[in-house]
Amino acid sequence: AQSVAQPEDQVNVAEGNPLTVKCTYSVSGNPYLFWYVQYPNRGLQFLLKYITGDNLVKGSYGFEAEFNKSQTSFHLKKPSALVSDSALYFCAVRDGWSGNTPLVFGKGTRLSVIA
Amino acid sequence: NAGVTQTPKFRVLKTGQSMTLLCAQDMNHEYMYWYRQDPGMGLRLIHYSVGEGTTAKGEVPDGYNVSRLKKQNFLLGLESAAPSQTSVYFCASSLGVNTEAFFGQGTRLTVV
Repeated sequence: AQSVAQPEDQVNVAEGNPLTVKCTYSVSGNPYLFWYVQYPNRGLQFLLKYITGDNLVKGSYGFEAEFNKSQTSFHLKKPSALVSDSALYFCAVRDGWSGNTPLVFGKGTRLSVIA
Repeated sequence: NAGVTQTPKFRVLKTGQSMTLLCAQDMNHEYMYWYRQDPGMGLRLIHYSVGEGTTAKGEVPDGYNVSRLKKQNFLLGLESAAPSQTSVYFCASSLGVNTEAFFGQGTRLTVV
């Protein structure tokens, strides 16, 4: 079984400050982890993924995420937030031992960057 | 390069009516998915396909049927719409199960 949790429904941050959007996961085998972003009235867009290798993954628009196996977390980070980063962020996971089973998405975290 | 295109973008149905949502992708992707997005529920997988002629159930398949007769198209059908199916529906496609998924812009369906 695979599941993912985003413990915060809403994150507020001032422009220029660092931001973190939290994600924890549960899988039986190897976790494959993804972050997507959704702007209003749009579909989801891929930001970054962790499959294997370096625990720090860099993605689009200056975002990065750190895979922490001991804490089963994959938090999304950005050193300096922009107002244009305001959107809905989804973490997703699949179990690498589960064959073709697709991603399971979290409930999403709404990020609001205040000027 | 259009990516993933969903038709229609908006629809209002009466309870008991049927309809088909069309998803088309032009990236030669093997995998295609249908999700629904509801407030506070995130994205939930309805059905998916790992290749032409194949379909499989996701997390919330009841009340929906799908077909993948052509590689580029993935159809989602509602045989007898219910108010609980009021939602925003997203189609997505990916080359492989661990590769980036591309999403359509969504279909906003209201069942009254």
